[in-house]
Amino acid sequence: DSGVTQTPKHLITATGQRVTLRCSPRSGDLSVYWYQQSLDQGLQFLIQYYNGEERAKGNILERFSAQQFPDLHSELNLSSLELGDSALYFCASSVDQDTAYEQYFGPGTRLTVT
Amino acid sequence: AQKVTQAQTEISVVEKEDVTLDCVYETRDTTYYLFWYKQPPSGELVFLIRRNSFDEQNEISGRYSWNFQKSTSSFNFTITASQVVDSAVYFCALSERAAGNKLTFGGGTRVLVKP
Repeated sequence: DSGVTQTPKHLITATGQRVTLRCSPRSGDLSVYWYQQSLDQGLQFLIQYYNGEERAKGNILERFSAQQFPDLHSELNLSSLELGDSALYFCASSVDQDTAYEQYFGPGTRLTVT
Repeated sequence: AQKVTQAQTEISVVEKEDVTLDCVYETRDTTYYLFWYKQPPSGELVFLIRRNSFDEQNEISGRYSWNFQKSTSSFNFTITASQVVDSAVYFCALSERAAGNKLTFGGGTRVLVKP
């Protein structure tokens, strides 16, 4: 158990809908990262937050947004869902935002868009 | 731009055989970190090791060992005396100091250990 929690574990929804994925980092970790794992694109970095502020953006679609709250939990919002958004979404956390720190991953949320 | 290549998509071995996973990376940064993660069939990503670009010492942890060679931009991973529980997908990843702490992953190598 990495100490990072993600809910829900599974999510099935229809095209055009909007969903929210939730992540709670390990105790003491200030930085949260979101990654998408799909068969087509592999594991891709989406976005990073550090202590409530956005720090880095990767290949995140405009339909997707995220935020980190004062209690450090984070939410990833996916809207106008398409079939291609079906993937495993991971949240990871690290102590700080620097490259020196390893990231610990949550169990992931498997999103299926039908 | 940073890039990680794992040329082997799948490796199948019989229990107790050694298996080596290749990882080749590209980066323009002089300060970077390399990682290996394991993804068992249950799906979670398990951190295995982190190396920084200034430390080329090989590392051994139980049946796992890592060989970092800057001259060939490689960070290979060997499982000695493999066990069925080693069956998983293994990912090599890179983070560059200049690009923050985001991880760039290779495509992964699926290891199947047969009894």
